[in-house]
Amino acid sequence: QKEVEQNSGPLSVPEGAIASLNCTYSDRGSQSFFWYRQYSGKSPELIMSIYSNGDKEDGRFTAQLNKASQYVSLLIRDSQPSDSATYLCAVTRGGSNYKLTFGKGTLLTVNP
Amino acid sequence: EAGVAQSPRYKIIEKRQSVAFWCNPISGHATLYWYQQILGQGPKLLIQFQNNGVVDDSQLPKDRFSAERLKGVDSTLKIQPAKLEDSAVYLCASSFLVEQFFGPGTRLTVL
Repeated sequence: QKEVEQNSGPLSVPEGAIASLNCTYSDRGSQSFFWYRQYSGKSPELIMSIYSNGDKEDGRFTAQLNKASQYVSLLIRDSQPSDSATYLCAVTRGGSNYKLTFGKGTLLTVNP
Repeated sequence: EAGVAQSPRYKIIEKRQSVAFWCNPISGHATLYWYQQILGQGPKLLIQFQNNGVVDDSQLPKDRFSAERLKGVDSTLKIQPAKLEDSAVYLCASSFLVEQFFGPGTRLTVL
């Protein structure tokens, strides 16, 4: 069974710090990787996509992918209380079926 | 650009009753997905449509769940009869290519 593993947390960081969220996946055929943010009682919101090894930066967010190690991470710089949410890692093989397999999510709390 | 629309937002039913959820994807998105998210878990794919054809329904409990996407736009997911363990949020998502965008979801409570 193909799995996506995340630390459930909660991960607590002070305001202004860097939050580091990690994800490992078991399917070596995975091609596309996503981070979703989910506020309590809301639906998942896509915040980052990454498709090749290395880093991808978008504002305060940096996604890192290492396919050899089957590892994806999300760094949030200058964390704000509004970043407090559950972060879901999702992967897909791609091809004709873009079915996403999600981890259980990591709850991040940013303390003022 | 309007996002994915879903209704109702909340539904409370008793076990063995039936329920239906509706989804309207983002305009131009050919692929539509239904996910089930149980509290504390990540979303789990139930069924994927490409236009009005089913691409993947391997995790759909077909004895009680059914879904259709007539005319390749709107979709309906039905549960009949509902069980207690069906209490969850039902999320609809759509995509043009790889990136999927979610609607607000329907929170189902089965008593």
